[in-house]
Amino acid sequence: DVKVTQSSRYLVKRTGEKVFLECVQDMDHENMFWYRQDPGLGLRLIYFSYDVKMKEKGDIPEGYSVSREKKERFSLILESASTNQTSMYLCASRVAGANVLTFGAGSRLTVL
Amino acid sequence: QKEVEQNSGPLSVPEGAIASLNCTYSDRGSQSFFWYRQYSGKSPELIMFIYSNGDKEDGRFTAQLNKASQYVSLLIRDSQPSDSATYLCAVSYNFNKFYFGSGTKLNVKP
Repeated sequence: DVKVTQSSRYLVKRTGEKVFLECVQDMDHENMFWYRQDPGLGLRLIYFSYDVKMKEKGDIPEGYSVSREKKERFSLILESASTNQTSMYLCASRVAGANVLTFGAGSRLTVL
Repeated sequence: QKEVEQNSGPLSVPEGAIASLNCTYSDRGSQSFFWYRQYSGKSPELIMFIYSNGDKEDGRFTAQLNKASQYVSLLIRDSQPSDSATYLCAVSYNFNKFYFGSGTKLNVKP
């Protein structure tokens, strides 16, 4: 089975801090995604990556950046965390063009 | 803006009944449609996908798609307490981006 691992399940950060959320997949998938999930709003796409060093903005990229230097790792960066970025962050991966997204367990971020 | 709408619920059904979950989408160019199940505190997992108009059955689950009405549904037959979860509808128009609804919470009462 594909495994998508998010390094931190729970994080508490202060406003203005730089935050790194890491995601690693073990099945050589080309595509990787970062979503945030908020009550009543569902999953919203922040960024996705077609392949190494390739990225595309999703629907809510403001305040976020990403890095994909290696195929298995996709990092989400909050340059200066704000309270409205308190959320559950979900990473997903898939083989290019496939219909199945495999999600990680999620990282719940609280910004105080 | 591509929108996917679901009734948030909760939808309560007795054990053994049929649960019917509905979803509408705004983009007529959408090509593929998915149902994910998410247990509380867990990540979403794919349970079904459908591309063509009509019904697709997989065990106790049936997905129904009507592109003219921009409507997709999920029927769960013989509902079990273990089916209690939030069900997320997702659509994709180019296989590169997936748009999710906010989910419908299903409670199956023993």
